[in-house]
Amino acid sequence: EDQVTQSPEALRLQEGESSSLNCSYTVSGLRGLFWYRQDPGKGPEFLFTLYSAGEEKEKERLKATLTKKESFLHITAPKPEDSATYLCAVGTSGSRLTFGEGTQLTVNP
Amino acid sequence: NAGVMQNPRHLVRRRGQEARLRCSPVKGHSHVYWYRQLPEEGLKFMVYLQKENIIDESGMPKERFSAEFPKEGPSILRIQQVVRGDSAAYFCASSPPGRVDTEAFFGQGTRLTVV
Repeated sequence: EDQVTQSPEALRLQEGESSSLNCSYTVSGLRGLFWYRQDPGKGPEFLFTLYSAGEEKEKERLKATLTKKESFLHITAPKPEDSATYLCAVGTSGSRLTFGEGTQLTVNP
Repeated sequence: NAGVMQNPRHLVRRRGQEARLRCSPVKGHSHVYWYRQLPEEGLKFMVYLQKENIIDESGMPKERFSAEFPKEGPSILRIQQVVRGDSAAYFCASSPPGRVDTEAFFGQGTRLTVV
């Protein structure tokens, strides 16, 4: 059975304090590793898809990396508007996404 | 994700009533997925549909739940005889044909409360 574990569950940062979120996964046949952002009361907003170990993608202050067992979402010099829950998901055969439970990020001014 | 439209945004039902949740995918997308997010839990896959076909319903509860995506009109998730445990946020996502391994765009969800 596919499994996705995210850590930490919650993270508090000061504005400008860089950090990383972790997503470890166990799947049979990875067809993509997805990162989403979810604000309270909203649907997940797509951020990145990574397909193979060693791949990296960047968007503003966010950078996602992928190894064979885990992915990291690096947040550089975060701002209060980066506060959200960040979700990691794996896509496998059959087109479903298996999600982790998310990391709730709070960035204090 | 602004392109995936779900309605209603909030739905209150009494135990035993039926709930109908609607999802209009991004224009041109022919793949629709339904996910459920229970309080304090992650998103869980329910069902994957293409026009007039259920492709994968392995995440759907065996009873009371059904889904369809007709040739015309929105996809419908139907919950019969709702119980308090059905209270959750239900999200619909869509993806383009031939690109199910890329991103799926999510709607804003329908928050179902069973009283």
